Amino acid sequence: GAGVSQTPSNKVTEKGKYVELRCDPISGHTALYWYRQSLGQGPEFLIYFQGTGAADDSGLPNDRFFAVRPEGSVSTLKIQRTERGDSAVYLCASSLFGSNTEAFFGQGTRLTVV
Amino acid sequence: AQSVTQLGSHVSVSEGALVLLRCNYSSSVPPYLFWYVQYPNQGLQLLLKYTTGATLVKGINGFEAEFKKSETSFHLTKPSAHMSDAAEYFCAVRANTGNQFYFGTGTSLTVIP
Repeated sequence: GAGVSQTPSNKVTEKGKYVELRCDPISGHTALYWYRQSLGQGPEFLIYFQGTGAADDSGLPNDRFFAVRPEGSVSTLKIQRTERGDSAVYLCASSLFGSNTEAFFGQGTRLTVV
Repeated sequence: AQSVTQLGSHVSVSEGALVLLRCNYSSSVPPYLFWYVQYPNQGLQLLLKYTTGATLVKGINGFEAEFKKSETSFHLTKPSAHMSDAAEYFCAVRANTGNQFYFGTGTSLTVIP
């Protein structure tokens, strides 16, 4: 596709359940990022992949959050035992390699934990 | 470490008036600077970026920003606001050796007809 694709666009889940959020980056982009955005806030960094490996996962809030990118393309963010505080918009972005390159963002997945 | 401060969480301007959105950054190494715009229920779209070279950068939709190292600022301007400019604007910084982007808390721009 032409841009970063995230599915689902909306997800409502019950507290305690497990969820997976998918990100399909722009073809050829080796870098992939996950951010979380709460209402009225800027995006908050979660994790960064360079290829298949998580180069920086310092933003993951706790061990309930995990992300994979097994083939260096599609990534999945996994949240176990969801809590109401996990409700937010989860943004995925991808970029070419290099710190002077911009990130291209998907439209996000709005997660609501009830 | 890097951080971004956006002064003014809400800015209102009249249609046709100058738009000025402020961004100050903190970085221990030379930074790369970005402005993104976010329309309701959409992802972030790049407006412009500064990496090296000319400190006045021009972006899409008539926006521009100037990197001022002495003031650690990267303010976004547009000479004449249009109704379609109403959106949330985010400034971001990235170290030239870094991975992640650090975002400010955003400025919501309202354009009054």
